[in-house]
Amino acid sequence: DVQMTQSPSTLSASVGDRVTITCHASQGIYNSLNWYQQRPGKTPQLLIYDVSHLERGVPSRFSGSGYGSTFNLIISSLQPDDIGTYYCHHYTNHPPGSDFGQGTKVE
Amino acid sequence: QVQLVQSGAEVKMPGSSVRVSCRTSGDAFSIYAFSWVRQGPGQGLEWMGRIIPTLGSANYAQMFQGRVTMTADRSTTTVYMEMNDLRSEDTAVYYCAVMRSLYYTPHDLDVWGQGTSVTVS
Repeated sequence: DVQMTQSPSTLSASVGDRVTITCHASQGIYNSLNWYQQRPGKTPQLLIYDVSHLERGVPSRFSGSGYGSTFNLIISSLQPDDIGTYYCHHYTNHPPGSDFGQGTKVE
Repeated sequence: QVQLVQSGAEVKMPGSSVRVSCRTSGDAFSIYAFSWVRQGPGQGLEWMGRIIPTLGSANYAQMFQGRVTMTADRSTTTVYMEMNDLRSEDTAVYYCAVMRSLYYTPHDLDVWGQGTSVTVS
């Protein structure tokens, strides 16, 4: 399994702040990296797939970057609706496999 | 729009088994791969494996090999996740999901069921 390590574990920010969450993979994973948002009490929602592609309907203040083993999720201007936990997600299809980071709670 | 409707909450004794169901439409059943992801209380997300109903094939994360079985019933377009030898640490919400990146054939869908709470006590 690939180990996915996120930092920070918890992040406190104000409305309008620029927020960056980092995800390190234990080995190079090319661009097989997604980001999920989970609001309190809700199911996870895909925000970004394949490092930098915004899922349909996701606000443009979200963006992703990186390659190889280090990836970032950036929220350009934090909004109240963005409160929740964010998970990076590595996947493979051949053979199928998946690993999530431990999550970053945004307060 | 594809919907995944899961079965209700379960309370189980340690050492017993649980089967969680996830019902979908006929089209989705034939096209997609279905993953199972669990989330312990206050914990993160843990991928358990996936099943491709149209092939009848399943793949499991290493830590669940031998204790989890994923199956599919074409007559009811329902996928199932069964876990044996339950322990207290299996207490979690279990989600079925069609995940964009864990596909049978490439697609742009990412949909999750509402989750099923399983309590082992």
